[in-house]
Amino acid sequence: DAGITQSPRHKVTETGTPVTLRCHQTENHRYMYWYRQDPGHGLRLIHYSYGVKDTDKGEVSDGYSVSRSKTEDFLLTLESATSSQTSVYFCAISEFQGRSSYNEQFFGPGTRLTVL
Amino acid sequence: GQNIDQPTEMTATEGAIVQINCTYQTSGFNGLFWYQQHAGEAPTFLSYNVLDGLEEKGRFSSFLSRSKGYSYLLLKELQMKDSASYLCAPRGAAGNKLTFGGGTRVLVKP
Repeated sequence: DAGITQSPRHKVTETGTPVTLRCHQTENHRYMYWYRQDPGHGLRLIHYSYGVKDTDKGEVSDGYSVSRSKTEDFLLTLESATSSQTSVYFCAISEFQGRSSYNEQFFGPGTRLTVL
Repeated sequence: GQNIDQPTEMTATEGAIVQINCTYQTSGFNGLFWYQQHAGEAPTFLSYNVLDGLEEKGRFSSFLSRSKGYSYLLLKELQMKDSASYLCAPRGAAGNKLTFGGGTRVLVKP
C-alpha cells in the first residue's frame, strides 16, 4: 500500500471555526489531491498540487485553501467552516504522468468532518 | 465540462456476472480508471484503459470505446466480498486530474 496518512481521522467542529486537515505521504509522489465525497455526488476534486508550492483549484474549491511547503505534506484549510462542508475528505497522490504509464491515484484513509 | 454517467445500484447473485456501464463526456481524454470502494473505506485502483478494447485482470475486465465515450467493468464469478461501489473516472488531457462518476453500488446476494 502507498504510504499515505491523513489526520485527524475524525473531527467535529462548530460553524465559523477554522479547520486544517493534513495529508502526509512517504512515496515522494509529485501530485497530491484533496477530494470530498458526499452521497449523490461521488468524489469531487477540491484542490490539487503538482509540486511544492504549486497548487490549483478543482471543481469545488470555494471555501477551501491549500498549502504545500514540502513534498510530503499537503494541507487543506477551511477558513470558516460551514455545515455544507460536512463530508468525508480524501487525500490522494500520484506520480508524474508519463504518456505510457498508469500513474493511478492512491488514496488515503479519509477524514470524516462534521460541522455543527 | 465533464459528465460521467453510471447506474446507481445493481444487484447480482454470488457466482454470477455483472457489467457496470459508464458513459462519459470530457474535455480531452487520456485514459479511464475504475476504482473499487468498500463502505467506509478509501477507493482502490482496479483497472486502467487508454486504448480501445478489453483489458482482463483475473475476475475483472474493463472495456473502452473512445469514439463512443463508453466503458464497462465486468465482474465475473461474483463473490460476497465484491459488494462495494465501483467508480468510473476518466482522466483529462492536461495534468493528472480524474473526474469521478457518482459510483455504482453492487450488492452481491447469496
